[in-house]
Amino acid sequence: SQQGEEDPQALSIQEGENATMNCSYKTSINNLQWYRQNSGRGLVHLILIRSNERETHSGRLRVTLDTSKKSSSLLITASRAADTASYFCATVGNSGNTPLVFGKGTRLSVIA
Amino acid sequence: GAVVSQHPSWVICKSGTSVKIECRSLDFQATTMFWYRQFPKQSLMLMATSNEGSKATYEQGVEKDKFLINHASLTLSTLTVTSAHPEDSSFYICSARDGSTPLHFGNGTRLTVT
Repeated sequence: SQQGEEDPQALSIQEGENATMNCSYKTSINNLQWYRQNSGRGLVHLILIRSNERETHSGRLRVTLDTSKKSSSLLITASRAADTASYFCATVGNSGNTPLVFGKGTRLSVIA
Repeated sequence: GAVVSQHPSWVICKSGTSVKIECRSLDFQATTMFWYRQFPKQSLMLMATSNEGSKATYEQGVEKDKFLINHASLTLSTLTVTSAHPEDSSFYICSARDGSTPLHFGNGTRLTVT
């Protein structure tokens, strides 16, 4: 079952602008991950944040996690047309060998 | 890095036929594989969890007799869509765990049932 909502569902920005996507989840987690998916293609893992972390970053990506609000945000800075894709958050629970549970995703369009 | 190979990339079949999708971990042993389904413009929905040498665990609402999963070895899991119908047309993605995080994903199989 899905964890929750991503917000917004779709986002269109100009190249060079920053893009912020939010994700909410329902249950306690071990970690939260963000993935990217180009249309009709497989998933690319972007970044992971553990439940005891509040913020992490990698290159142009910055992720925050608020476990009290059960929410996370992904910030892509200085966006490029090549960043156009769907972005999903996914959570891993605390118990055993649990699968990823995906949010509904945000479709990002970066206009050159 | 770890690689998961999924085959075929796309398949078109007639209604009533069965289709087998393979998911292989190429350079690691995957004790657990997960199968997801994704309808157009929607998120990935977990269908089942497959552990090597045991029966798969299906999510609620997923028919185990329709979506047969076999995980006979540490490097191969198969998903067979039996008696496929147009409503089974979807994007199917497998993922595998080598004991670490994150999961490794295949590139997906686009199934179209006519």
